[in-house]
Amino acid sequence: QVQLVQSGAEVKKPGASVKVSCKASGYTFTGYYMHWVRQAPGQGLQWMGRMHPNSGGTDYAQKFQDRVTMSRDTSISTAYMELSSLRSDDTAVYYCARGMGGTSGFDYWGQGTLVTVSS
Amino acid sequence: EIVLTQSPGTLSLSPGERATLSCRASQSVSSSYLAWYQQKPGQAPRLLIYGASSRATGIPDRFSASGSGTDFTLTISRLESEDFAVYYCQQYGSSPLYTFGQGTKLEIK
Repeated sequence: QVQLVQSGAEVKKPGASVKVSCKASGYTFTGYYMHWVRQAPGQGLQWMGRMHPNSGGTDYAQKFQDRVTMSRDTSISTAYMELSSLRSDDTAVYYCARGMGGTSGFDYWGQGTLVTVSS
Repeated sequence: EIVLTQSPGTLSLSPGERATLSCRASQSVSSSYLAWYQQKPGQAPRLLIYGASSRATGIPDRFSASGSGTDFTLTISRLESEDFAVYYCQQYGSSPLYTFGQGTKLEIK
């Protein structure tokens, strides 16, 4: 069965960086886009960007363009999202999600990683 | 940027009733690229509908969706207790590539 398992919660100070991992299993990791979506406390969903694990190619939302880096290690079927220059309003749950081929749907999601930015 | 506006913000209904949720786009959206998600507290979103009207794997047939252009609808024919949650629509388009609506909270009346 398809599973996406994310790394644990993080607490960071303003200005620091955080790197969240997402380990995929149960499917061919290189065959599907991996997306990252975040959700601030009590708020809605915000798409951050996507990466294709086969090529490593990325598309980032303009809002995060200067601060986010998505990468992967195909040998261990793991995707990463690194966000730099953290601010208090980056406090959120960060999700990885697998993109369905040919449509906009994200059919499998990780459990989420809470990143708290606080001095 | 395509903005998705969901209505109502909160919908209060009883189990067994029919729920109709709306998602309106600021520009035309290809039907192939409109999805709906359900999210319960403390859980990741769950894909319900993709391609505007196709149910995802394992989704009960009481969930249906329709629409085209700028107006899309998610219908839950007979509400069950586990259906009370927040629902989001999502589209794929121009920058940003993906946007979500702000969500509709479906609560028990």
